[in-house]
Amino acid sequence: AQSVTQPDIHITVSEGASLELRCNYSYGATPYLFWYVQSPGQGLQLLLKYFSGDTLVQGIKGFEAEFKRSQSSFNLRKPSVHWSDAAEYFCAVGISNFGNEKLTFGTGTRLTIIP
Amino acid sequence: DTGVSQNPRHKITKRGQNVTFRCDPISEHNRLYWYRQTLGQGPEFLTYFQNEAQLEKSRLLSDRFSAERPKGSFSTLEIQRTEQGDSAMYLCASSSSYGPGSGNTIYFGEGSWLTVV
Repeated sequence: AQSVTQPDIHITVSEGASLELRCNYSYGATPYLFWYVQSPGQGLQLLLKYFSGDTLVQGIKGFEAEFKRSQSSFNLRKPSVHWSDAAEYFCAVGISNFGNEKLTFGTGTRLTIIP
Repeated sequence: DTGVSQNPRHKITKRGQNVTFRCDPISEHNRLYWYRQTLGQGPEFLTYFQNEAQLEKSRLLSDRFSAERPKGSFSTLEIQRTEQGDSAMYLCASSSSYGPGSGNTIYFGEGSWLTVV
């Protein structure tokens, strides 16, 4: 069965600093990979996705992620964080089984931004 | 495109009562999903519809839970005889299977919080 590991439960960075959130997945075939962001008490917003092709994908809000098959990783990066980036970030792997793209999520990384 | 809409957003109920949540997906999306999220965890898949057909149910969906999508548009999730362990946020999501790759992007609603006291 597929699984997702987000090893960092909580990360604190200074505003303007760079950010990298780690994500490792386990899945036997080529995965569909996603990063979602969730503000407190809210639903999830899609930041970016990887299906195939270029392994460096660009998303909204200045985020990017790189798929590395050899490391089974899909880390999220941002060169300079803003206070509004404080939120919970979830990595997910999607499986396509006769058209069912259900997602398996990691446990999330909470991002705190300090002035 | 008004997004995935869920209501009520918050529900407090006494143990043993029944509750029902409604989800209106993005227009023309033929796929609809329910997920459950507890504090400090990522969302967990519960069930999935394609049009009106319920194609998959997680083992997390006990017999006290039932989901319907009668006309292939909105969906309801009912929990009977609620227990304190049912306290969670219930997320609805939708996607479209039309167009290349479009079915792989799942859009989430803002969730319905359930507190069982």
